[in-house]
Amino acid sequence: AQTVTQSQPEMSVQEAETVTLSCTYDTSESDYYLFWYKQPPSRQMILVIRQEAYKQQNATENRFSVNFQKAAKSFSLKISDSQLGDAAMYFCAYRSAKAQKLVFGQGTRLTINP
Amino acid sequence: GAGVSQSPSNKVTEKGKDVELRCDPISGHTALYWYRQRLGQGLEFLIYFQGNSAPDKSGLPSDRFSAERTGESVSTLTIQRTQQEDSAVYLCASSRRQGQFDYTFGSGTRLTVV
Repeated sequence: AQTVTQSQPEMSVQEAETVTLSCTYDTSESDYYLFWYKQPPSRQMILVIRQEAYKQQNATENRFSVNFQKAAKSFSLKISDSQLGDAAMYFCAYRSAKAQKLVFGQGTRLTINP
Repeated sequence: GAGVSQSPSNKVTEKGKDVELRCDPISGHTALYWYRQRLGQGLEFLIYFQGNSAPDKSGLPSDRFSAERTGESVSTLTIQRTQQEDSAVYLCASSRRQGQFDYTFGSGTRLTVV
């Protein structure tokens, strides 16, 4: 079974600085997708960024980028120019190309200090 | 609707009672998912519906849990004889169809069993 591990329960960063959230996963499959989701206090999960495993290029969405290391099964999220609105729980998730369900990590609580 | 709607937002129930949680997906979204999120944890997959196909029930933790969906409309998750360990946030998501990445999550139902 696939597993996703986020080793940082909490992270904090100064406003305008850069922070990196870590994620590792375990799978025997070669075709899959990886996601980072943000969960604010409203509880609604919001997609931050997605990476297809077959793509070598790291995904980027404005201030958010990933470092995808397929051989190491690592998928970290970098947030540049952190803003107060970035404060939330962040979840890394995996989805096999052959399945529909998402497998989530335990989450990292990100605090932004003004 | 514009988003995925879940009701009730919060539910407190006595141990041993049955509860029904409702999810109203985005119109036109044929795929619907239920996840459970225990306090401080990531999301655990419960069940997946795709149109009129047989649902994937592989994540249901016990036979006290069941879910229904008629066609591409509303889904209800029923927990019978609730236990304190069932206390969690139950999140619903929908997507246009199988294989798509446009998961839209609702804000969940926080269930507290006392």
